[in-house]
Amino acid sequence: DQQVKQNSPSLSVQEGRISILNCDYTNSMFDYFLWYKKYPAEGPTFLISISSIKDKNEDGRFTVFLNKSAKHLSLHIVPSQPGDSAVYFCAASVQGAQKLVFGQGTRLTINP
Amino acid sequence: DVKVTQSSRYLVKRTGEKVFLECVQDMDHENMFWYRQDPGLGLRLIYFSYDVKMKEKGDIPEGYSVSREKKERFSLILESASTNQTSMYLCASSLIGTDFLYEQYFGPGTRLTVT
Repeated sequence: DQQVKQNSPSLSVQEGRISILNCDYTNSMFDYFLWYKKYPAEGPTFLISISSIKDKNEDGRFTVFLNKSAKHLSLHIVPSQPGDSAVYFCAASVQGAQKLVFGQGTRLTINP
Repeated sequence: DVKVTQSSRYLVKRTGEKVFLECVQDMDHENMFWYRQDPGLGLRLIYFSYDVKMKEKGDIPEGYSVSREKKERFSLILESASTNQTSMYLCASSLIGTDFLYEQYFGPGTRLTVT
């Protein structure tokens, strides 16, 4: 059973526009969420996180929103840049558990 | 600068061979992880270790074993490689936290092909 789901395998966005990547989870025990970015031939790198005590966290062009009642989070990238083209993974955890559960990933392509 | 290295970027092995994947981190992290990445399935946890000689099964441990004899090194072992173990293998490490979840740092991955 997939506890963390990214239902869009791919997304194409024009440069300068907003990119919105979505993630749903089923386990109500999850209380910490992260986004990772992965370029080809490289390992994933941490992008941004959010604790369940918040509903929004911002870091520069990246904002993560958490809707606990809907068990849904999203990553907004504004404005989108060509260097943002990568695979984005959503991950979730229970505090103290040390482990992450990852989604399937969404391939984001930013078109010039 | 944080660094996780993996012994090989690409590996081709035959069915039935014993395969060792090595991972080394230089950040003095307590936690180390092995994942496999497959299209449409994302990253799935195989095993993780929170201390030397300690290990816990992840979501898909069947067909794999691990070894952690030193804090900086975590090995993944495929006892008898099979074609369904063809995949990208990613190693990661992190600090251990009780009230806070520390981010995981990943190595570049090993693309394993079993023929």
